[in-house]
Amino acid sequence: RKEVEQDPGPFNVPEGATVAFNCTYSNSASQSFFWYRQDCRKEPKLLMSVYSSGNEDGRFTAQLNRASQYISLLIRDSKLSDSATYLCVVRIPNDYKLSFGAGTTVTVRA
Amino acid sequence: DAGITQSPRHKVTETGTPVTLRCHQTENHRYMYWYRQDPGHGLRLIHYSYGVKDTDKGEVSDGYSVSRSKTEDFLLTLESATSSQTSVYFCAISESVVGRDGYTFGSGTRLTVV
Repeated sequence: RKEVEQDPGPFNVPEGATVAFNCTYSNSASQSFFWYRQDCRKEPKLLMSVYSSGNEDGRFTAQLNRASQYISLLIRDSKLSDSATYLCVVRIPNDYKLSFGAGTTVTVRA
Repeated sequence: DAGITQSPRHKVTETGTPVTLRCHQTENHRYMYWYRQDPGHGLRLIHYSYGVKDTDKGEVSDGYSVSRSKTEDFLLTLESATSSQTSVYFCAISESVVGRDGYTFGSGTRLTVV
């Protein structure tokens, strides 16, 4: 089983819509969680960390559900510029590396 | 953005030749990583370093070696390039491996082996 699994999508949404997607992680000891954004042919960039109580950054809301071992990302009022692949990332204790999901592709259309 | 640069940005090489990719950072971060990214596979860890001269293998290390002789540079060498090593290679750095420190990635190297 992969450490981090994501629905690859694509999620095709019109501008102004709300889109949400999840990722699941397999290691219950995972302690830090992140969402990264990757534009086509570019490097991944940190979008936001995910806190236990959930957190917002503008139009983006991240939630963590430790009991069910999933993380969610919700994008409100989608913009064309939100079109990207969103990577779910998890840190396991005592591990030097982060574990990356394969990504969820979001396409926002005019 | 953090100071991390990869070179070259693009390279075409022939099968069987050695190739070295360079990752250079100006952030004095302890941890450095090499990933490859291919369609359908996402990011896969090749090697990583947790200090000068301290390196370890990732999940796809066969055919690759690394060296880190100083904090700022992490070199990835394809000892004898094969077509299966055609990929986009990303270097990443991290200040720590606990808490909310994620990675910062370089812009990537597009390698084509013909």
